[in-house]
Amino acid sequence: KAGVTQTPRYLIKTRGQQVTLSCSPISGHRSVSWYQQTPGQGLQFLFEYFSETQRNKGNFPGRFSGRQFSNSRSEMNVSTLELGDSALYLCASRVRGGQETQYFGPGTRLLVL
Amino acid sequence: QQQVKQSPQSLIVQKGGISIINCAYENTAFDYFPWYQQFPGKGPALLIAIRPDVSEKKEGRFTISFNKSAKQFSLHIMDSQPGDSATYFCAASPPQAGTALIFGKGTTLSVSS
Repeated sequence: KAGVTQTPRYLIKTRGQQVTLSCSPISGHRSVSWYQQTPGQGLQFLFEYFSETQRNKGNFPGRFSGRQFSNSRSEMNVSTLELGDSALYLCASRVRGGQETQYFGPGTRLLVL
Repeated sequence: QQQVKQSPQSLIVQKGGISIINCAYENTAFDYFPWYQQFPGKGPALLIAIRPDVSEKKEGRFTISFNKSAKQFSLHIMDSQPGDSATYFCAASPPQAGTALIFGKGTTLSVSS
């Protein structure tokens, strides 16, 4: 089975722009979670989607949003980028949720200048 | 109450030695405690996980020790090898289906040969 894939792998944007990141989960997985990883804050939960519905949301401003499609693929969007949004954005999938193993993708490295 | 505190931040161990990473939590609702391993350029991958009904779980050279009364758990890597050099994250979650993993801030392990 192919693993979790994320595109693009690297991205450079300037302040004020918006960005969309994409995640394709493992086939058969319906739960997709997004995490932000930075050296200072570590891994922080952004949100989780299951069957096209946001099931849980972390403590991030409304500039961070996401969605999930009927094929379980997910996108996250960050509007009005700030320098502090520079991070590795990780997507993780699992079959349904709960305490099943989460399988992470390689991440998208976003640099905001 | 939602935090997971991890120490040390970095660790240098000789090849063949024992690596020990510690984590502490406050939320008694947590009942699932995984450890993730992350290599540079890759997403985290599940290494081993434990539930609070057991005090120890061993898989190969990796052992989790769990102390429910102290709300602490630790990862022991026996016979540490250079290939174990990576960043290790402890995490915790409560039992609900849509909840996220709460991660510690990570420990960078370097095993010298």
